[in-house]
Amino acid sequence: DTAVSQTPKYLVTQMGNDKSIKCEQNLGHDTMYWYKQDSKKFLKIMFSYNNKELIINETVPNRFSPKSPDKAHLNLHINSLELGDSAVYFCASSQGLAQETQYFGPGTRLLVL
Amino acid sequence: GQNIDQPTEMTATEGAIVQINCTYQTSGFNGLFWYQQHAGEAPTFLSYNVLDGLEEKGRFSSFLSRSKGYSYLLLKELQMKDSASYLCAVSRSATNKLIFGTGTLLAVQP
Repeated sequence: DTAVSQTPKYLVTQMGNDKSIKCEQNLGHDTMYWYKQDSKKFLKIMFSYNNKELIINETVPNRFSPKSPDKAHLNLHINSLELGDSAVYFCASSQGLAQETQYFGPGTRLLVL
Repeated sequence: GQNIDQPTEMTATEGAIVQINCTYQTSGFNGLFWYQQHAGEAPTFLSYNVLDGLEEKGRFSSFLSRSKGYSYLLLKELQMKDSASYLCAVSRSATNKLIFGTGTLLAVQP
């Protein structure tokens, strides 16, 4: 039944480590997104993919690299984690690009120590 | 550039009506969304406006004036479960990029 799922739900790690977050949607949508929500609850777009093609690439450190193996999956790999990367990362998906509602996953709570 | 403003916090009483305002300045406007986010949970879609006017959906309504760069979310017959953050988001251009406001934290009191 899960529409947009993410793993893991919680991630606690040390500075300097490399980690990945995975996202899957079973809605048959063509477009997927990664957002970061900081401690002040501000939600900001990072990346989007449409049919595995990178569409949005915001000003994000190149330590962050998204990968879309197919249109149902969008993963986020983060190299050399820093304290400031601590946040909640939300995956979302939409049918397409034209004024489409985005549906969010449950979020991954990342804490970098 | 883009700028989206919402009040940071609001308080209302159970059973009452509350209006949450959102003003925006953005290029490539392609519609405005309202999302609800309970603490520790994901944002969930409430409403979408692309034309001027009022969209009603049960206890929730959303209004848009594109010429004024203004929207509001109206919540009627407030319930305790409506205590949450309400996020205004503007969709830009053909990429469906959503620019979110900082959210309005609504506390519903008995």
